[in-house]
Amino acid sequence: DGGITQSPKYLFRKEGQNVTLSCEQNLNHDAMYWYRQDPGQGLRLIYYSQIVNDFQKGDIAEGYSVSREKKESFPLTVTSAQKNPTAFYLCASSPRQGGQETQYFGPGTRLLVL
Amino acid sequence: EDQVTQSPEALRLQEGESSSLNCSYTVSGLRGLFWYRQDPGKGPEFLFTLYSAGEEKEKERLKATLTKKESFLHITAPKPEDSATYLCAVETTDSWGKLQFGAGTQVVVTP
Repeated sequence: DGGITQSPKYLFRKEGQNVTLSCEQNLNHDAMYWYRQDPGQGLRLIYYSQIVNDFQKGDIAEGYSVSREKKESFPLTVTSAQKNPTAFYLCASSPRQGGQETQYFGPGTRLLVL
Repeated sequence: EDQVTQSPEALRLQEGESSSLNCSYTVSGLRGLFWYRQDPGKGPEFLFTLYSAGEEKEKERLKATLTKKESFLHITAPKPEDSATYLCAVETTDSWGKLQFGAGTQVVVTP
């Protein structure tokens, strides 16, 4: 059963704490993305990765970090430098082969601050 | 600056009452326009990709069309299960893989 999984579904962060959101895909897609969604706003791109061991900053990368050590995994760390982390975080992937640009999304992780 | 604007922000329909959602875009060069459906608390579900003006795609009660300035998502004879937020996104020719999203249109269909 192919798809994108994100865990956990809910995550609580304390002040000064770093937290890591998991994203795994078994679609054999080359590219992976992280978005942040706030109420009443469109999705905003945090980081994206075109290939293993390579990633680029999106529009709102400050306070976040990523790694891409395996094709199927793209974890996102929300660091203590991110002062307003409460949001719905979405991971996506796309084939990026033969003109296939469509991004497919995971179920999301909701991050709340204690 | 590239911009994607969706209207209306919210739409309330009676079951069977057809309507259209608008996505207008101002970009340097369009590579593709994407429509997604998002249910509350869930990730967006892909609906359509449109690449060139004049292109149309259909899926059940949904039909997406594209012009040089905007895209429409037509909902024909909607049912309550069509209630969702519909998101529009564009990829431009100078922004590899980077989708720019509109804020979405929240659609509620009542029986």
